[in-house]
Amino acid sequence: EAGVVQSPRYKIIEKKQPVAFWCNPISGHNTLYWYRQNLGQGPELLIRYENEEAVDDSQLPKDRFSAERLKGVDSTLKIQPAELGDSAVYLCASSLVARTSGGNEQFFGPGTRLTVL
Amino acid sequence: RKEVEQDPGPFNVPEGATVAFNCTYSNSASQSFFWYRQDCRKEPKLLMSVYSSGNEDGRFTAQLNRASQYISLLIRDSKLSDSATYLCVVNSWGNTPLVFGKGTRLSVIA
Repeated sequence: EAGVVQSPRYKIIEKKQPVAFWCNPISGHNTLYWYRQNLGQGPELLIRYENEEAVDDSQLPKDRFSAERLKGVDSTLKIQPAELGDSAVYLCASSLVARTSGGNEQFFGPGTRLTVL
Repeated sequence: RKEVEQDPGPFNVPEGATVAFNCTYSNSASQSFFWYRQDCRKEPKLLMSVYSSGNEDGRFTAQLNRASQYISLLIRDSKLSDSATYLCVVNSWGNTPLVFGKGTRLSVIA
């Protein structure tokens, strides 16, 4: 079974340019997450989708970041315009959440390593 | 206070050693606990869930202490391949976001 797929794997852009990341979750997983991981830190949630609905975007910097998950499958995360501080690894994860029980194993994609110059 | 705190390390141990990591969490409503492993320049992968009664998987043992709000991971007979960053992860309930610690870096030396 294919895991979470992300593209591109690496992206180098100049500041003020736009950039977009794409994620294809594991088939059947209804919940999709975008995380940002800075060097030496754990992943931090940016946005969480349940199907096509964004149910938690409180940590998403909405002035420059946007995301969508059309049809509740693939998702894109966009930054416009990018700033130097946006350099990080952007991880997508998916899970199949059972609402009646605790805990949800999340499966991560390989991430997109963004460098803003 | 950070929601999940870990000693960043690095822990440098010889092969065959036993090493333990602790992690504390601040949200007493937390329900689910995990250890994820992250290799250098790779994505995090679930190592094991942490159950109230404690659980063991081969050389790895996880413990939960709800009263003191900490989680531990014990690795026995360390292998070179155990070298990685170990992320402590906490979840309030089913479909709420996971909260990750910064990770503890382990280097197993020959």
